[in-house]
Amino acid sequence: DQQVKQNSPSLSVQEGRISILNCDYTNSMFDYFLWYKKYPAEGPTFLISISSIKDKNEDGRFTVFLNKSAKHLSLHIVPSQPGDSAVYFCAASARYGGSQGNLIFGKGTKLSVKP
Amino acid sequence: DADVTQTPRNRITKTGKRIMLECSQTKGHDRMYWYRQDPGLGLRLIYYSFDVKDINKGEISDGYSVSRQAQAKFSLSLESAIPNQTALYFCATSRTRFNTGELFFGEGSRLTVL
Repeated sequence: DQQVKQNSPSLSVQEGRISILNCDYTNSMFDYFLWYKKYPAEGPTFLISISSIKDKNEDGRFTVFLNKSAKHLSLHIVPSQPGDSAVYFCAASARYGGSQGNLIFGKGTKLSVKP
Repeated sequence: DADVTQTPRNRITKTGKRIMLECSQTKGHDRMYWYRQDPGLGLRLIYYSFDVKDINKGEISDGYSVSRQAQAKFSLSLESAIPNQTALYFCATSRTRFNTGELFFGEGSRLTVL
């Protein structure tokens, strides 16, 4: 059973517009959430994170929003740039419980930003 | 030079062969991981290690084994490779136990089992 779900396999946006990537989770024990970006032929790289005690975290063009009641988080990229074209993975961890704090990843969303 | 180095980067092998993927890191992190990426399935955890004497199974450990030879080295073995182990494999490290910090990934090892 998938604990972290990214239901959109792909997303295409125009350069300069907003990109919104969504992620849902089922495990209420998750208390830390991260987004990773992956380019072809490279390993994933950390992008931004948020603790469950917050509902928003911002870093430059990237903002992550967390809605705990809905078990939903989203990554906003404003403005989108062609260099943002990559696969984005949502990940979650629970400090307490059986997973020992390991990250659980979603399946990823491929973002294409068109010039 | 990369902080997390994986070798080989690409490998083609035949069913039944033994294959080892190696990972070394210069970040000084205690915690190391092996993940597998398949198209449409995201990243799934195979094994992880808190330190040299601590090895743990992840979500999909069947058919795999690991060895933590030193703090900086963590290898993944397929004793008898099968075609459904064809995938992109990533080694990663982290500095914290509870992943409130980030994972640092290697560039990946693409394995094809014929």
